[in-house]
Amino acid sequence: DAGVTQSPTHLIKTRGQHVTLRCSPISGHKSVSWYQQVLGQGPQFIFQYYEKEERGRGNFPDRFSARQFPNYSSELNVNALLLGDSALYLCASSTSSGHLVDTQYFGPGTRLTVL
Amino acid sequence: GNSVTQMEGPVTLSEEAFLTINCTYTATGYPSLFWYVQYPGEGLQLLLKATKADDKGSNKGFEATYRKETTSFHLEKGSVQVSDSAVYFCALLTGANNLFFGTGTRLTVIP
Repeated sequence: DAGVTQSPTHLIKTRGQHVTLRCSPISGHKSVSWYQQVLGQGPQFIFQYYEKEERGRGNFPDRFSARQFPNYSSELNVNALLLGDSALYLCASSTSSGHLVDTQYFGPGTRLTVL
Repeated sequence: GNSVTQMEGPVTLSEEAFLTINCTYTATGYPSLFWYVQYPGEGLQLLLKATKADDKGSNKGFEATYRKETTSFHLEKGSVQVSDSAVYFCALLTGANNLFFGTGTRLTVIP
């Protein structure tokens, strides 16, 4: 079975631009969560979506937004990019209740570089 | 606030040595605690978890006990193998469904 997939794998943007990152969960998984991992740091939780509704939100500015589609795939949008947004963006999916206590299965990430 | 502090690495051990990676937390309420692992070239994956005080999580020979009195969740393994070389992250989940990770500890096991 395919794991969590993310696209693109790498992305280079300039300050002020916006970016859309995409995630496809494992088949049958209804929950998707997003994380930002700056080099040398642990992941930071951004959002969780379950059945197209936001179920959790980390401490990120309003420039970050996300949505989940009827097929449970998800997009993360970041507006007005800053240099500090350069990071690996991870997506994870899980099967059930929409709570992060469920086992999260992580994708390989999208490496975003902001110049 | 909520936060996780784990021992800084890198940690280098010989094969069959005993491993401890310390993790302490600060949280309001009653969090759940996790250890995640990232093997070289692979994605992050859950290693073990504990959802209430005195629970012990275990997997692949690793163990961690949720100690509310010391606000700790130290990771231990009795005999490490080369294949255990990875980066280990301690994490805390709040009642508000917000997940906080530590900065990670890189473990290298040498034959």
